[in-house]
Amino acid sequence: GQNIDQPTEMTATEGAIVQINCTYQTSGFNGLFWYQQHAGEAPTFLSYNVLDGLEEKGRFSSFLSRSKGYSYLLLKELQMKDSASYLCAVRSPSGGYQKVTFGTGTKLQVIP
Amino acid sequence: GAGVSQSPRYKVAKRGQDVALRCDPISGHVSLFWYQQALGQGPEFLTYFQNEAQLDKSGLPSDRFFAERPEGSVSTLKIQRTQQEDSAVYLCASSFGSRAFFGQGTRLTVV
Repeated sequence: GQNIDQPTEMTATEGAIVQINCTYQTSGFNGLFWYQQHAGEAPTFLSYNVLDGLEEKGRFSSFLSRSKGYSYLLLKELQMKDSASYLCAVRSPSGGYQKVTFGTGTKLQVIP
Repeated sequence: GAGVSQSPRYKVAKRGQDVALRCDPISGHVSLFWYQQALGQGPEFLTYFQNEAQLDKSGLPSDRFFAERPEGSVSTLKIQRTQQEDSAVYLCASSFGSRAFFGQGTRLTVV
């Protein structure tokens, strides 16, 4: 089966740094996504990690450790508009295709 | 089109009514996923199409749920005899490689 865990909620201050963790136990692994979802909107792609290590993209970075089944999303210089849910999703082989399974999401609130 | 388009954006159905939700994927995208998202939760997998073939329907919650993609492009998710627990946002995503692009979703409310 697939099990993906994230904290339910986090609060951080504008201008600060926040790290959102994700742990997973899946049958097979072919990559991990992070998506951002504002209330009432579609999830939008942030990052995709296939190999171990840190991928940096502007204010957002994502880290993966396949041996530990662990990833984190790092958001720097937080802005009020970063208040959203952050979804961790794992891509894994399933019956001849690549299935994408989501965690429950972490609701981030950025406060002044 | 420029992105994944879903219609209607909002649907209110009386309990017992049948509904049909439409997804127009990005042109040329082979893969199409349907997800159900309850309030405050992550998207839950419903079904997957590769072109017109439905390769996985293991996430459909009951036999009241049915999905099709007859020509390998537009897909329809049909829910028969809707019940209150079907109230959720239904998301469609399409992909050509590893990255999936999501539509805005259809918010279904069953009253």
